[in-house]
Amino acid sequence: DAKTTQPNSMESNEEEPVHLPCNHSTISGTDYIHWYRQLPSQGPEYVIHGLTSNVNNRMASLAIAEDRKSSTLILHRATLRDAAVYYCILTNSGGSNYKLTFGKGTLLTVNP
Amino acid sequence: DTAVSQTPKYLVTQMGNDKSIKCEQNLGHDTMYWYKQDSKKFLKIMFSYNNKELIINETVPNRFSPKSPDKAHLNLHINSLELGDSAVYFCAAGRTGKGTQYFGPGTRLLVL
Repeated sequence: DAKTTQPNSMESNEEEPVHLPCNHSTISGTDYIHWYRQLPSQGPEYVIHGLTSNVNNRMASLAIAEDRKSSTLILHRATLRDAAVYYCILTNSGGSNYKLTFGKGTLLTVNP
Repeated sequence: DTAVSQTPKYLVTQMGNDKSIKCEQNLGHDTMYWYKQDSKKFLKIMFSYNNKELIINETVPNRFSPKSPDKAHLNLHINSLELGDSAVYFCAAGRTGKGTQYFGPGTRLLVL
């Protein structure tokens, strides 16, 4: 599986934007970039995913570098509820032999 | 309605016992997974089932046996529980070949 690198931790203030980076220099052409997050004492939660173009949904935006070797998850206005571990995961669609390989992720702290 | 549910939420048991964790999904997805999150918070896949057929089995001791009575259920049976089995177990559901998975709330297993 292609590997991703994320900072161990980041800090933000409430109602400010947060940019969570992810490096994936060995990404292949068919790998999707997925982001999940895990709130304290909960299961992982899907946030967003993309292939080449930037993506927006109600939770966040995903900015993908032109060479696809890095991406950034953007939370436009952080709330206390966004405090979680954020995982950047590369996935390759096709077939049923499919799994999510979680790294250490980035622990996001949101200050009131 | 909860998309992916697990029972029990907490399980405390003695070494050597046999226990089961149940998982049900109402999403209509054809692939279900079990993940284990250890005390260091690493999340790792254990099994995946597609249409009641075992697809992924990640070097898990054969004391662990998944059972899928139908597409909506994937139960995890553990024989001869050991101290090292203490962890949080997450069930997930997704569509074949897609990286978006929906996780249950987790079962916190403590082996004494």
